[in-house]
Amino acid sequence: TQLLEQSPQFLSIQEGENLTVYCNSSSVFSSLQWYRQEPGEGPVLLVTVVTGGEVKKLKRLTFQFGDARKDSSLHITAAQPGDTGLYLCAGPDSSYKLIFGSGTRLLVRP
Amino acid sequence: DSGVTQTPKHLITATGQRVTLRCSPRSGDLSVYWYQQSLDQGLQFLIQYYNGEERAKGNILERFSAQQFPDLHSELNLSSLELGDSALYFCASSVASANYGYTFGSGTRLTVV
Repeated sequence: TQLLEQSPQFLSIQEGENLTVYCNSSSVFSSLQWYRQEPGEGPVLLVTVVTGGEVKKLKRLTFQFGDARKDSSLHITAAQPGDTGLYLCAGPDSSYKLIFGSGTRLLVRP
Repeated sequence: DSGVTQTPKHLITATGQRVTLRCSPRSGDLSVYWYQQSLDQGLQFLIQYYNGEERAKGNILERFSAQQFPDLHSELNLSSLELGDSALYFCASSVASANYGYTFGSGTRLTVV
């Protein structure tokens, strides 16, 4: 069974600080995706990483796929209150449906 | 608006009852997925349909069933409801496989009292 573990589970930081969220597995994934979910809403896809070692940037967010395609990280520079939410990583399993990590709850205090 | 429509937004019902949740996928998407999200369980996969046929099944209870209709909308039926079924239920759609991501609806919050 493929599993995705995220850390930390909770993160509370001050506006302007930097942070990194991790998504790890013992299994190889063909791709990994990151979603952000706000209260009362469904998750929204932020990025998909496909190639081992790939780095993608989305404004202040930087996503990296591990060389062995077993892990990924999300780094946020100069966090803002609007970054508050639940960050989920996800990857397709052997039957091509997505499995999700348990998520990282981020709170950015003004 | 993500393009995936879920109704109703909220549902409060008593134990033992049956409810139907509805999902219309984004235009052009053939795959529909149902997930359950509770505070301590994260997003748990229930079932997937592709172009009207069941493609994959997760740990879906026997009291739960789903189908996808010819117009590609999907319904999730939950029966003999228990308190523990209270959760957010999300529908998501994709063109075909999940490799390049899902589009989620805004969910149905089910409260069983």
